[in-house]
Parts: sequence; structure tokens; C-alpha cells
Amino acid sequence: GQNIDQPTEMTATEGAIVQINCTYQTSGFNGLFWYQQHAGEAPTFLSYNVLDGLEEKGRFSSFLSRSKGYSYLLLKELQMKDSASYLCAVRDRRYSTLTFGKGTMLLVSP
Amino acid sequence: DVKVTQSSRYLVKRTGEKVFLECVQDMDHENMFWYRQDPGLGLRLIYFSYDVKMKEKGDIPEGYSVSREKKERFSLILESASTNQTSMYLCASSKQGPRSDTQYFGPGTRLTVL
Repeated sequence: GQNIDQPTEMTATEGAIVQINCTYQTSGFNGLFWYQQHAGEAPTFLSYNVLDGLEEKGRFSSFLSRSKGYSYLLLKELQMKDSASYLCAVRDRRYSTLTFGKGTMLLVSP
Repeated sequence: DVKVTQSSRYLVKRTGEKVFLECVQDMDHENMFWYRQDPGLGLRLIYFSYDVKMKEKGDIPEGYSVSREKKERFSLILESASTNQTSMYLCASSKQGPRSDTQYFGPGTRLTVL
């Protein structure tokens, strides 16, 4: 099975940098995903890591350490529209199913 | 552009009714998934399908069934709706393969069972 932990809530200021951590225990790891979900909307894909290291995509970066069962999502130059829930998800090796963490609600204030 | 659609955004049903939630994707994806999302519990997998007429139980299949008669369509069925099935239901699809793509989500159906 999978067990995924991430903080419930975080707050940050516009223009700042925030790091959202995710730890996981899994029996068959095949990649880690980050999704963004605004209130009342569907999750949208942000990033994907399957090898150790940092993946950068504009203002967003994601890091993975498979040996530590650890990932983080880094958001730079925060904007008000970044206020959303951020979901960490681990993919199963056999069926490509995703197990999601409970999500981190990020509130960006002026 | 990638598209996953769900038949209703909001649905209100009564206890004991049979409920059908429909999901259609236009990306020729092999895999399709049904989740429910509840406050404090996150997204939980109900059922998934990796091919036409194939289905596999997810983490919380009790009280639900599914149907996949065509590749593009995946239906979630609540045989006898109960109040504890009030939730947001999200459908998703993805390609198959070892480096398969991410899952793409539909807009969700908010189901209320009275």
C-alpha cells in the first residue's frame, strides 16, 4: 500500500517563495506527481518526478529523493492566483494508479 | 486539447435511488479512473479500468460498480444511493505505458444524496 503525508495548510506572502513537502511510503514506486486544485475545480497537472533530482518548470520546481521517500514542490514569485490546494500523488508500478495525499491548502496574502 | 467531460456538474438524488455518473474522454486513453473527494480525506480511488470491459477495484469500491463498454466512456453506478455517498466525484484518464502520461481530470460531479 501507499502512505503519503503533506502539511494541511500553509500561508505565504505575494512575491515570496514557498516549499511544500511530501513524504511517502510505498510498496511499488513508479513516479511522483504534483497537482494544483483551485476550489471547486478539477486537479491540474503541475509536475512529475521519477528519478532523483530537481525538475524545473517556470516558477514551479519539484524535487525527488527516492531513498528518503521525500519530495517537495517549490513555488517562486508567489502570486495571488497560486492560492489553491496542492496534491502530492504517488503512482503504483503495476496499474499506474495514483494514491493521493490529503493535499496542502496554500493561502497567498498581499 | 485534452478533454474529459462528466455528464453533470451537480446532482441531487434521494436515498435508495440508482445513480449513473458518466465520463467521456476524447484522447483515446486506455486507462480511466473514478475518484471521490471529501474534505479531510482527499482523493480516493473507487474503481479503474485499463481496457474496454475490464475493471479493477480501487481503495473504496463498496457501494459502487462501473461499466466500460466503449474505450472513451466510463460509467460509475451507485446501485442504491446512501447519504454517505454525498461527495465530489472526479473522473480521470491516462495513456498506458511505463512512462505513461499524467492523469487528466474531468470537472467533477457534486452529488448530494438526501
